[in-house]
Amino acid sequence: DTGVSQDPRHKITKRGQNVTFRCDPISEHNRLYWYRQTLGQGPEFLTYFQNEAQLEKSRLLSDRFSAERPKGSFSTLEIQRTEQGDSAMYLCASSSPGLAANEQFFGPGTRLTVL
Amino acid sequence: SQQGEEDPQALSIQEGENATMNCSYKTSINNLQWYRQNSGRGLVHLILIRSNEREKHSGRLRVTLDTSKKSSSLLITASRAADTASYFCATTRLNYNQGGKLIFGQGTELSVKP
Repeated sequence: DTGVSQDPRHKITKRGQNVTFRCDPISEHNRLYWYRQTLGQGPEFLTYFQNEAQLEKSRLLSDRFSAERPKGSFSTLEIQRTEQGDSAMYLCASSSPGLAANEQFFGPGTRLTVL
Repeated sequence: SQQGEEDPQALSIQEGENATMNCSYKTSINNLQWYRQNSGRGLVHLILIRSNEREKHSGRLRVTLDTSKKSSSLLITASRAADTASYFCATTRLNYNQGGKLIFGQGTELSVKP
């Protein structure tokens, strides 16, 4: 399977715990995006990498959130001191400048439940 | 900070009927895309229309774009039960500072009954 993969697919944690998600983009894609989606809503942009550089962060990304892409390949999204409001689906997408006008390929998502 | 609004929020039709979903957005765009999401899963890209295009077809899909009204519509013809999903429009304004992020609407939940 050469699509975008995310791990884990589901995560249940207690409030106050830290969690980390991983995204492996399509290998030749140099752009990587993180989005968050709550029930009944469309995805909302969190942050964007081009290679290893984090070029934009949404205001939704509070200081409890941090994302990295150390070698320009896979990325991690960490949430510290989780809150119940962090419960959502976290989606990763990748794209390439060569693709038609920012078509993005999405992974299956990580569903986070904070108890 | 979603910019798109979709109409209707939910649509229920019989197999074989056509389904039309509408999307409105607020700012100038370079292109608009439609994505499909099956229950609780990732999004699948369906079709992209550029701001200088008015209509585009792909199989049973037809997309229109009216930049003067800042709106788009997605028509699915001869619907099938397998088309049951949520459909999202997403706009992008390619700009180095914005990095090509997608701004999604709230989605239309389509149910096609056999």
